[in-house]
Amino acid sequence: ETGVTQSPTHLIKTRGQQVTLRCSSQSGHNTVSWYQQALGQGPQFIFQYYREEENGRGNFPPRFSGLQFPNYSSELNVNALELDDSALYLCASSLPLQETQYFGPGTRLLVL
Amino acid sequence: GQQLNQSPQSMFIQEGEDVSMNCTSSSIFNTWLWYKQDPGEGPVLLIALYKAGELTSNGRLTAQFGITRKDSFLNISASIPSDVGIYFCAGRQETSGSRLTFGEGTQLTVNP
Repeated sequence: ETGVTQSPTHLIKTRGQQVTLRCSSQSGHNTVSWYQQALGQGPQFIFQYYREEENGRGNFPPRFSGLQFPNYSSELNVNALELDDSALYLCASSLPLQETQYFGPGTRLLVL
Repeated sequence: GQQLNQSPQSMFIQEGEDVSMNCTSSSIFNTWLWYKQDPGEGPVLLIALYKAGELTSNGRLTAQFGITRKDSFLNISASIPSDVGIYFCAGRQETSGSRLTFGEGTQLTVNP
């Protein structure tokens, strides 16, 4: 049990809609990273939040945005959903400056 | 973007056999991590490696950080049915902050 929780577990949206995914980090972890995992592929880094600020971003467009709250929980927002956004979205938490990241169970997003 | 080449893509073995999989890159990584992912779940950390040449064990699992810092391997000894799943390598580069780059995964099937 990693302690990282995500909600919702599954979500179905249509093209053009907006979605918000939520993550609660493991106790004591103040760094949260988000990854997108398409079917049959490895996770791809979206961005990371540390001290409520974005701390690194992968090759994802601006319609992918995030927030981190004072209690270290985090949100991933995706605007103008596209079919290719269908994927498992993973949240991972870690201690500051630690490479070891612990993943939550993910949110499965299907865009129709 | 930076990719990790993970092989083999899939393995079908008999219970009790040993398994070896590896990850290579054209770039240097400062940290190597090995994760296992079961269907519908997030990746679970198996082993973390932080120094070139480091050899670390976790039960029946052994992983090594290559001396060139461009590769890593994972061995599983005396496989059992619950070893079934997808194994991912992940690496962190000094220039990429805490971002993890993942391989494409090795799908392991163990026949009883």
